[in-house]
Amino acid sequence: TQLLEQSPQFLSIQEGENLTVYCNSSSVFSSLQWYRQEPGEGPVLLVTVVTGGEVKKLKRLTFQFGDARKDSSLHITAAQPGDTGLYLCAGEKAGNMLTFGGGTRLMVKP
Amino acid sequence: GAVVSQHPSWVICKSGTSVKIECRSLDFQATTMFWYRQFPKQSLMLMATSNEGSKATYEQGVEKDKFLINHASLTLSTLTVTSAHPEDSSFYICSAMTRAYEQYFGPGTRLTVT
Repeated sequence: TQLLEQSPQFLSIQEGENLTVYCNSSSVFSSLQWYRQEPGEGPVLLVTVVTGGEVKKLKRLTFQFGDARKDSSLHITAAQPGDTGLYLCAGEKAGNMLTFGGGTRLMVKP
Repeated sequence: GAVVSQHPSWVICKSGTSVKIECRSLDFQATTMFWYRQFPKQSLMLMATSNEGSKATYEQGVEKDKFLINHASLTLSTLTVTSAHPEDSSFYICSAMTRAYEQYFGPGTRLTVT
């Protein structure tokens, strides 16, 4: 079983729509990171959230860390085809090891 | 900054042979590097933690005699898949940790064992 559950697993939307991806766990993490990965490439770090309740914005992407530091969400406003990819959340625990969620595969159609 | 490279980017080998994959941090020193495996349409699974100058720490279920890890310098870790079999075919990704404890990922190596 995944320590971090991501939902939805797959999402296909039209350009311009909004979407939210969730990352949930029963464990507390010292920090939580969001990555985007394109086929045949390594994950690229989008953001790191550390403080419970923290909200970070990266252009059209808004990341939130739950108050209890067990869950997080990624909201994309006005999605574009260039947002297409695999979005991964990863929780950091002792030893700086990352545990990845199952991923959300996003496709934005023009 | 914080660039991590992997070599080769893809490799095809015959069953029973060994393959070495290199992970380099190009512009920073990394005392700790991590090796992950990713099967198609799945997430990353941590295989082992590689520490410079010491033995690697393997995750449960990962055979240390099959996946040999050597972290010989502060900028290089290698993963050798010994006696590879078709079920070892996967996308292998490394990451290197900066002094600020941020992990940067390499571009991955696609291994196909025939």
